[in-house]
Amino acid sequence: DIQMTQSPSALSASVGDRVTITCRASQSITSWLAWYQQKPGKAPKLLIYKASSLQSGVPSRFSGSGSGTEFTLTISSLQPDDFATYYCQQYDTYSTFGQGTKVEIK
Amino acid sequence: QLQLQESGPGLVKPSETLSLTCTVSGGSVITSSYYWGWIRQSPGKGLEWIGTIYYSGSTYYNPSLKSRVTISVDTSKNQFSLKLSSVTATDTAVYYCARAIAAAGSCFFDYWGQGILVAVSS
Repeated sequence: DIQMTQSPSALSASVGDRVTITCRASQSITSWLAWYQQKPGKAPKLLIYKASSLQSGVPSRFSGSGSGTEFTLTISSLQPDDFATYYCQQYDTYSTFGQGTKVEIK
Repeated sequence: QLQLQESGPGLVKPSETLSLTCTVSGGSVITSSYYWGWIRQSPGKGLEWIGTIYYSGSTYYNPSLKSRVTISVDTSKNQFSLKLSSVTATDTAVYYCARAIAAAGSCFFDYWGQGILVAVSS
């Protein structure tokens, strides 16, 4: 199994902050990585696929980077609507998700 | 606008079979571009991919669940379904159906249903 480890598990930030979340794979997944945003009681929403491709309709303040085993989701200027939990997902071999990173208001 | 809606019992007894259906509206399950999948989310295990199906009936399952899972598609009803046998309390979760985009060895998910909570309890 490919394990996905996100860090941090939670962070506190203010509106306007630049936020970075890291996701590490237990083995190389080239660029087969997606990022999702989830709000309480709602389904996950696709933000990024293939490590850095922005899903249609997603604000450009969201960006993804990385390849191999280390990946990053960056929110360039945190907005009130961005307080949520973020998950990475590898789809190189079967599919596994990270444990999530909760972005809270500081 | 594509919509997916899960339906089925919210309570299943231990050792029985969990059965859920996903109804797709605003689009057809018969599409060469997409697959259809099931994902679940529990407090203990987080998000877990269960399996994926193509409209032709080809299926791909999570190895950890493969012995208990069956996913099928009914193109006449524009639905796909999940059966999970021999359930235990650890199968208690919110179950999501989703549209899947295939790449590499698996897929990611661009449209999701709202989710349905299924509890396993006697």
